[in-house]
Amino acid sequence: NAGVTQTPKFQVLKTGQSMTLQCAQDMNHEYMSWYRQDPGMGLRLIHYSVGAGITDQGEVPNGYNVSRSTTEDFPLRLLSAAPSQTSVYFCASSRGRFGQPQHFGDGTRLSIL
Amino acid sequence: GQQVMQIPQYQHVQEGEDFTTYCNSSTTLSNIQWYKQRPGGHPVFLIQLVKSGEVKKQKRLTFQFGEAKKNSSLHITATQTTDVGTYFCVSGGSNYKLTFGKGTLLTVNP
Repeated sequence: NAGVTQTPKFQVLKTGQSMTLQCAQDMNHEYMSWYRQDPGMGLRLIHYSVGAGITDQGEVPNGYNVSRSTTEDFPLRLLSAAPSQTSVYFCASSRGRFGQPQHFGDGTRLSIL
Repeated sequence: GQQVMQIPQYQHVQEGEDFTTYCNSSTTLSNIQWYKQRPGGHPVFLIQLVKSGEVKKQKRLTFQFGEAKKNSSLHITATQTTDVGTYFCVSGGSNYKLTFGKGTLLTVNP
């Protein structure tokens, strides 16, 4: 099993550009989420989904959109990239309700100039 | 999830020394998870604690959940260089909003 796959692994954008970070899992997990990790800040929840067609905001949702049309995929869209969005982005999935281990992808390292 | 504070932020030890990181909350936690992130890697699940006063062990790692469910700790006995990384506690509740502590970065001098 591949687990959680994130693409791309690295990306450089210019301010104002838009892009989509891809996340796919092959474990049939209901719960998926996106985090950003900045030095000294730990991981902060951006958006999450408890199933296909259901999404909700986390701690730092501004500037990001998500959708969940299938169980497997949970893309994260940056609408108009800003330097403050330079970060490492992690996608995670888990089975069902909270309490199950979260499985993380390898991350996307995003730089915005 | 409820906010959690982790201390210390950094810890440097000599190989063979013990290490402890603490996770504290001002409110009662439903449960708590611990993750480890190696440098350049992604977080990896270690354990989940649910019950008041719960203690779980994984080889040299001992995890505790406080009696009041407001604090938790991770203790590593006789650290090894393979223990290097950042250790996070994570709180969450029924609303699925999981909150990571800021983590404790452990470095080990061989």
